[in-house]
Amino acid sequence: RKEVEQDPGPFNVPEGATVAFNCTYSNSASQSFFWYRQDCRKEPKLLMSVYSSGNEDGRFTAQLNRASQYISLLIRDSKLSDSATYLCVVNLAGYALNFGKGTSLLVTP
Amino acid sequence: EPEVTQTPSHQVTQMGQEVILRCVPISNHLYFYWYRQILGQKVEFLVSFYNNEISEKSEIFDDQFSVERPDGSNFTLKIRSTKLEDSAMYFCASSLGGGDQPQHFGDGTRLSIL
Repeated sequence: RKEVEQDPGPFNVPEGATVAFNCTYSNSASQSFFWYRQDCRKEPKLLMSVYSSGNEDGRFTAQLNRASQYISLLIRDSKLSDSATYLCVVNLAGYALNFGKGTSLLVTP
Repeated sequence: EPEVTQTPSHQVTQMGQEVILRCVPISNHLYFYWYRQILGQKVEFLVSFYNNEISEKSEIFDDQFSVERPDGSNFTLKIRSTKLEDSAMYFCASSLGGGDQPQHFGDGTRLSIL
């Protein structure tokens, strides 16, 4: 069973649309959760940490459901520059980050 | 904004040769990491380093791999005898603390083994 699972997409949405990505993780002992974005052949860049109470950063909202082992990311008012691969990332309890394969987003004019 | 820097950006090496990848973590960070990403696959953890010793390593990080912090700023990954399957993008990362602290990634070294 994969540790972190994401729908690979691609999600093709028009500018201004709202889009949501989901992620599930297999280990209930996981402690920390993040969303990173990765542009083609570039490094992962931290988008936001995900907290149990849910958190928002501008157009981005992240939610965590520990009971269902489920993480989500909502992007409102999509911009062309949001086109990227979105990586769901989980930390068990130590130092290693466990990455999902990512969900590809393409925002079109 | 402070950033993690990596050199070289691209390294081409013959199979069986040794290679050293270099990283300068963010200056006040205490935890350092190496990850790799084979083309088309997910990012995979290799090793973490804190207080001048390895704190955690994955199954990928076998005896062919080693890490070192030779001075106060550099953090290196050495692969002793490279194999074709070592071809990947190697990312260095650093964080202020462990566990729930976000890790910040360098822009990577593309390693090509011929």
